[in-house]
This record gives sequence, C-alpha cells and structure tokens, in this order.
Amino acid sequence: DVKVTQSSRYLVKRTGEKVFLECVQDMDHENMFWYRQDPGLGLRLIYFSYDVKMKEKGDIPEGYSVSREKKERFSLILESASTNQTSMYLCASSLSLAQYFGPGTRLTVL
Amino acid sequence: ELKVEQNPLFLSMQEGKNYTIYCNYSTTSDRLYWYRQDPGKSLESLFVLLSNGAVKQEGRLMASLDTKARLSTLHITAAVHDLSATYFCAVVPGGGSQGNLIFGKGTKLSVKP
Repeated sequence: DVKVTQSSRYLVKRTGEKVFLECVQDMDHENMFWYRQDPGLGLRLIYFSYDVKMKEKGDIPEGYSVSREKKERFSLILESASTNQTSMYLCASSLSLAQYFGPGTRLTVL
Repeated sequence: ELKVEQNPLFLSMQEGKNYTIYCNYSTTSDRLYWYRQDPGKSLESLFVLLSNGAVKQEGRLMASLDTKARLSTLHITAAVHDLSATYFCAVVPGGGSQGNLIFGKGTKLSVKP
C-alpha cells in the first residue's frame, strides 16, 4: 500500500519566514510533485521531480524552490513566505500512471 | 496552454438519481484521471483512462473518455449520500512529461436524502 506522508497537517508562519514543507514516500517512486490547492482554482502544479537532484518547474513556481537529495524525500521551500502563499499544499508521487497524494499541509501565513 | 474545464462546478442531487459530470480539455492528452476528495482530506484516485473509448466502472461510478471530442464523463448511477465529495478530472498534455497533471477546478457533489 503506497504511503505518502507530509511533515505537518497544519502550519502557521509569519510573513518573511523561510518555510520548509517535507514529503516522504515509501514506494521507491521516481516522480514526486508539489501542488497547491485553492478554492475555485483547483490544484496547480508548483514543481515536480523525476529523479534525485532533478527538478522541473510547474505552472506556478514563483516564490518557491524545491530540493530532492534522496529519492524518497521531496521538500518544498518558501524562501520568504507571503500572505498570498496561504494555501493547502499537496505532495504526490508516482511510478508510472496514477499519482498518490499525501494528506496535505494547510499553511497559513500571517 | 492546456485548459481543463469541468461542469457543473456544484451539483446537488437526490439519492437514487442519476447524473453526469463533464470534463473538457483543450489540447491533445495522453491520459485522463478522475480523483475524489472528501472535505479536509487528500485526493483519492478513482480512474485512469488511457485511450479513446475507454470506459471504467467502480460501483455507482462510471468514467468514459472520448479523445476526439476531448471529453470525459463521470456518470453517477442511483446516487447515495456516501458519494458526496469533490470530484476532479486531470489530464497529462500530449507529449508532456509523465507527471505534469493539469486539473479541472473540481465538481462539488452533494447527495441529499
């Protein structure tokens, strides 16, 4: 059974703070993804990675960076959090077809 | 730029009724996904449709794909309250990398007794 875990379910940060969101998968998947989900906008892809140390920008990469030092772990970094980054962040992983999603992190930036 | 449109965005239906959710996409796609999301929860994969004419069924849900019309449908048969959730379709652009899913905005389904 595939398991994708995220470090926090809820997170509150202040404007300007550096924020790390961690995602870990236990199925040796090559591909990992970070999305944000906002009401009325659906899910939008921020970054994805198809291998260790490899990354590609998604649709909305501005204000974010990522790190993939190990295959099982994919980190999303907000270099300087802003209020418009308040959102639900979902991590996913896949090997071929289906993407498996983590439980999500609801981030509030004050 | 690939766009994915779902309709309706909100759907309130009575138990026992049938209804269809539509998913249109604007350019060629390799495959189409349907996901379910319960309030406060993550996304659960329902179906992956890979080819024109593909039809998949699970319980009261049936999904189909018409790649020529760039249309997928999610048909709900004899709805029950447990089906209340938000349903998303997502596509991978033709020729795109494996993971770059483009999501619709979701259809929030509410099934009432």
